[in-house]
Amino acid sequence: AQTVTQSQPEMSVQEAETVTLSCTYDTSESDYYLFWYKQPPSRQMILVIRQEAYKQQNATENRFSVNFQKAAKSFSLKISDSQLGDAAMYFCAYRAYSGGSEKLVFGKGTKLTVNP
Amino acid sequence: DSGVTQTPKHLITATGQRVTLRCSPRSGDLSVYWYQQSLDQGLQFLIQYYNGEERAKGNILERFSAQQFPDLHSELNLSSLELGDSALYFCASSVGGNAYEQYFGPGTRLTVT
Repeated sequence: AQTVTQSQPEMSVQEAETVTLSCTYDTSESDYYLFWYKQPPSRQMILVIRQEAYKQQNATENRFSVNFQKAAKSFSLKISDSQLGDAAMYFCAYRAYSGGSEKLVFGKGTKLTVNP
Repeated sequence: DSGVTQTPKHLITATGQRVTLRCSPRSGDLSVYWYQQSLDQGLQFLIQYYNGEERAKGNILERFSAQQFPDLHSELNLSSLELGDSALYFCASSVGGNAYEQYFGPGTRLTVT
């Protein structure tokens, strides 16, 4: 069964510094997608970044980038120049389509605190 | 604002009761996904509908059911409610049949007393 593990329940970073959130997953599929979602105190789930497994190039969205290591099944999120508004829960998620159905699995989340 | 709407925002009900949660997807989106977020289970995928048809099933209990109507809005029905069903229920939508780019609604907070 597919699983997504976020080993850091909580992380903190100083404003303007860089922080990396870890995510590992387990799958036997070769074609899948990986996502990072942000959930601020408002509870709204916001897509931060996504990565297609077949792409070797790491995805980047402004201050957010990923380090995708397919062989190691690792998908970490790097936030550069951290801002107070980055404080939130961050969820790593895996999506694969196989056997005619879609599987979506989320990690337990990492709570990020940004200190001024 | 993602463009996905959910009603009601909050719902408080008693054990054994039945409730219906409603979701309207973004304009043009054909897929609707339902998720449950609870403290102990985290965020779990429940079910997906695409253009009125059930597309994928996750960890949805038999006491729960969903449907998507011709106007593409969706309803999640929860029956014989238990205390453990208290959670935040999210709806998300996407244009196509996969979750490559899905947009989440604000959620419905269900409290079962």
